[in-house]
Amino acid sequence: DAGVTQSPTHLIKTRGQHVTLRCSPISGHKSVSWYQQVLGQGPQFIFQYYEKEERGRGNFPDRFSARQFPNYSSELNVNALLLGDSALYLCASSRSGGADEQYFGPGTRLTVT
Amino acid sequence: ILNVEQSPQSLHVQEGDSTNFTCSFPSSNFYALHWYRWETAKSPEALFVMTLNGDEKKKGRISATLNTKEGYSYLYIKGSQPEDSATYLCAFAYGGSQGNLIFGKGTKLSVKP
Repeated sequence: DAGVTQSPTHLIKTRGQHVTLRCSPISGHKSVSWYQQVLGQGPQFIFQYYEKEERGRGNFPDRFSARQFPNYSSELNVNALLLGDSALYLCASSRSGGADEQYFGPGTRLTVT
Repeated sequence: ILNVEQSPQSLHVQEGDSTNFTCSFPSSNFYALHWYRWETAKSPEALFVMTLNGDEKKKGRISATLNTKEGYSYLYIKGSQPEDSATYLCAFAYGGSQGNLIFGKGTKLSVKP
């Protein structure tokens, strides 16, 4: 089975622009979570979606939004990019999102200049 | 603010040494404790999910214990090998927000041949 896939791998954007990151979960997984990881820190939770409904939201501004599609893939959108949004964005999928293991994708490295 | 602490921050050992790391988390409203291994340029890999006080889990040379009453978990690696070199992350899930993993900053292990 294919693992969690994310696209693009790398992305360079300018301050004020908008970005969309994409994630495809493992087949059969209905939950997708998004995390932001900056150097020297552990991943920080942004959103969790389960069965196309938002189940949880971390402490991120409204510039961050996400959605999950009927095939359980997901998009993370960030508006009005700031330099501080530069980070590795990780997507993780799990069967139900409870205490299940979360399987991570390789991440998207976003650089904001 | 919920906080997960990991120690040490980094560890350098010789091949064949056994080692252990600590993860401290809030002892109230516990739901699950996850351990991940994250090798450079790869995705975080799930090692264990632990939910019960006193849980002990083992995968090859790696094992983990859990004490939910005092809020700590230990990860042990027996006979470290160079391929064990990675950052080891623990993540805490609390009741009411099970899909929201709160990560520590990780312990970076380097095993010299």
